Amino acid sequence: GQQLNQSPQSMFIQEGEDVSMNCTSSSIFNTWLWYKQDPGEGPVLLIALYKAGELTSNGRLTAQFGITRKDSFLNISASIPSDVGIYFCAGDPPPGFGNEKLTFGTGTRLTIIP
Amino acid sequence: KAGVTQTPRYLIKTRGQQVTLSCSPISGHRSVSWYQQTPGQGLQFLFEYFSETQRNKGNFPGRFSGRQFSNSRSEMNVSTLELGDSALYLCASSLETSGGEQYFGPGTRLTVT
Repeated sequence: GQQLNQSPQSMFIQEGEDVSMNCTSSSIFNTWLWYKQDPGEGPVLLIALYKAGELTSNGRLTAQFGITRKDSFLNISASIPSDVGIYFCAGDPPPGFGNEKLTFGTGTRLTIIP
Repeated sequence: KAGVTQTPRYLIKTRGQQVTLSCSPISGHRSVSWYQQTPGQGLQFLFEYFSETQRNKGNFPGRFSGRQFSNSRSEMNVSTLELGDSALYLCASSLETSGGEQYFGPGTRLTVT
């Protein structure tokens, strides 16, 4: 199935640094979701965005729904060791744009260098 | 409120066998979606059930099937297993079928030998 273009694929940062990742699509979405997945576990929902231009925070995490409805970004400020994992974006297309419930990005693997 | 539960967590099967995986959604959630996750293909949508009806289906062969019960619990079945079916199978539940947040279970790790 179709996947969103998520970048970067991987990031190696030091503890305390800020992190930024984004997702882009050729199609518009009604909803953007950001998930974090730890090894061997299911993705955990971090932030949900429902309106173009919307900026939402969840602790040290901030995400925005792009004005064009074709992109979204996630920022993590002052990274800590438990931020390590794989981050996925997901977009929910408008009705009639395909038969998939959610389209997922390819993931950004975040590693913190000691 | 209890989260999404999936059983079993781990499964080892032989090529040619069939397997049934189970998912119990969050209480009150009526939609259950299934995904296959592999390192090479990422998260791939299998199908979605809402009120015991399949609402959406991904691009998987007919060997992959599912159903949903009146209590919203769902099962997926894979028949005639192939080596390439080895993956983490994730179930996600949401309140309604469109535009809602999905909450994932821990997954079932299926290994086909």
